[in-house]
Amino acid sequence: ETGVTQTPRHLVMGMTNKKSLKCEQHLGHNAMYWYKQSAKKPLELMFVYNFKEQTENNSVPSRFSPECPNSSHLFLHLHTLQPEDSALYLCASSHPGTGNEQYFGPGTRLTVT
Amino acid sequence: KNQVEQSPQSLIILEGKNCTLQCNYTVSPFSNLRWYKQDTGRGPVSLTIMTFSENTKSNGRYTATLDADTKQSSLHITASQLSDSASYICVVSPLKGGGNKLTFGTGTQLKVEL
Repeated sequence: ETGVTQTPRHLVMGMTNKKSLKCEQHLGHNAMYWYKQSAKKPLELMFVYNFKEQTENNSVPSRFSPECPNSSHLFLHLHTLQPEDSALYLCASSHPGTGNEQYFGPGTRLTVT
Repeated sequence: KNQVEQSPQSLIILEGKNCTLQCNYTVSPFSNLRWYKQDTGRGPVSLTIMTFSENTKSNGRYTATLDADTKQSSLHITASQLSDSASYICVVSPLKGGGNKLTFGTGTQLKVEL
């Protein structure tokens, strides 16, 4: 396991539910990321936070709402999702800047029914 | 548009055999190229990193090569083990832009069998 943890590891939710994914890093990084990983597709960057400030929203639908209360924690709030949102959601952290290694959490496997 | 293409898409080899995975990219100029290993149900873990000036980098039985002129990289796995079964992802960082500008390949799914 890396220094990035994610909970829950698995989540099944209906289209009308509201749930949240949690990510925590113990590496002293100041940049945190949410990615979506679908089968046979490259990782898709969703959101980027640097020093708790959102610096990137990669045209993500508003049914996904991120929150970064501090540099160690990152949340992804979910509501009224669609079946096509089913995927592995990965959190990562790094030191800010170009080329720095991103450390990934184990991911949350989300299934929307 | 920056792209990273990997081949083959999937590969099955016998334990103890060697294999080579390919990565072609269009990102230019770039800062570094990484190979990640992603076990089933886990997040990706970095195996090797190379800057544009490096030609090869080893990590145990994993050896990555880079040809910046042809924009190609390969990952060679020697004496494969069952635990090498995973997805291998090639990731390129541009020279500018920070972590939000990484370009990921779709990965090569490797299965090592007895």
